[in-house]
Amino acid sequence: DSGVTQTPKHLITATGQRVTLRCSPRSGDLSVYWYQQSLDQGLQFLIQYYNGEERAKGNILERFSAQQFPDLHSELNLSSLELGDSALYFCASSVNRDRARGYGYTFGSGTRLTVV
Amino acid sequence: GENVEQHPSTLSVQEGDSAVIKCTYSDSASNYFPWYKQELGKGPQLIIDIRSNVGEKKDQRIAVTLNKTAKHFSLHITETQPEDSAVYFCAASRGGGFKTIFGAGTRLFVKA
Repeated sequence: DSGVTQTPKHLITATGQRVTLRCSPRSGDLSVYWYQQSLDQGLQFLIQYYNGEERAKGNILERFSAQQFPDLHSELNLSSLELGDSALYFCASSVNRDRARGYGYTFGSGTRLTVV
Repeated sequence: GENVEQHPSTLSVQEGDSAVIKCTYSDSASNYFPWYKQELGKGPQLIIDIRSNVGEKKDQRIAVTLNKTAKHFSLHITETQPEDSAVYFCAASRGGGFKTIFGAGTRLFVKA
């Protein structure tokens, strides 16, 4: 267990639908990052939140949005889903209040989204 | 824009041999270079990292080197074992609290 919790682990939905992916960061981590990993592809950066505020945006589609709540958990909302949105979605956290933990990310085990 | 290129995409070695994965980055402001290992069905896991004020770092069978002038960094795994088989990602960022850009990954196969 990495300490980053993602739910659900698997999600199957139809085109045009909307889903919400949830991430609880490692205890004390202030930053949450969302990445998309398509089949046999690398990790594409979507968006970052730091202590509740959006910090950086990557190639995130307008149909996608995210937020980070006061308890630091984050949700990624995907709407008007298309077949091409099928992928693994990873959440990672970093920037702990305990600075001795360093800069590295701790990843969750991902949510596998299948759009049919 | 920011980019990290990683080579090779696939690497197959015999158990006990060494494996080397190379990366280049484009953002000259990058100063933190982590490496992640992703096993099947799992999220990536940080295995080693290096900061720009250091040229080399070693942790048991794993070592990383950094050439900031050439914007190159490499991962070296010695005495490879079957359990080293996984996908390895290099990455670059501007440090704590900044987004990390990942390479495309190298699928390493270690044959027993």
